[in-house]
Amino acid sequence: DGGITQSPKYLFRKEGQNVTLSCEQNLNHDAMYWYRQDPGQGLRLIYYSQIVNDFQKGDIAEGYSVSREKKESFPLTVTSAQKNPTAFYLCASSQNTREAFFGQGTRLTVV
Amino acid sequence: AQRVTQPEKLLSVFKGAPVELKCNYSYSGSPELFWYVQYSRQRLQLLLRHISRESIKGFTADLNKGETSFHLKKPFAQEEDSAMYYCALKNQAGTALIFGKGTTLSVSS
Repeated sequence: DGGITQSPKYLFRKEGQNVTLSCEQNLNHDAMYWYRQDPGQGLRLIYYSQIVNDFQKGDIAEGYSVSREKKESFPLTVTSAQKNPTAFYLCASSQNTREAFFGQGTRLTVV
Repeated sequence: AQRVTQPEKLLSVFKGAPVELKCNYSYSGSPELFWYVQYSRQRLQLLLRHISRESIKGFTADLNKGETSFHLKKPFAQEEDSAMYYCALKNQAGTALIFGKGTTLSVSS
């Protein structure tokens, strides 16, 4: 089954803890993205990567970190510095930004 | 500044009625615009892009540079059109998409 896979589907984190969200794609896309989706806020860009070993901050990168060691993988770490981490996180990939393919999302809840 | 504005949070229509989901943008130069749709319990997916000038599921969208708009239209709404719709703009660098806040379309019989 080709596509983009996010795991886990639901994630709970205690305050002060770092947590890593997984995103894997087998579409051979160069570019990968992380968006945060909040009710009434739409999708806001956290980080994106156009190529392996390179990534750029999006509009709301504070409190987040990423890595892009492999073309297929773009994990997102939500650090304790993120003040309001409870949200729905969407990963996407694309080739030349023609069409972005999205994962099913991870819902992160801070308890 | 690059920005996408979707002024309506919710649009409720009856089955068979025309639908227009509004999208305005702010961009310097020639924009590249998209509509994405998220049906209940499904992943976000591309509906259409202005470059291809296609019609998908009866939806069309025309880029109006004078009004900086890219409204999504369908002449006769169906119940299965109920979903969240996002307008998106490729950023100036061509490296990522900027999304609007989305409009929930609710079609009832």
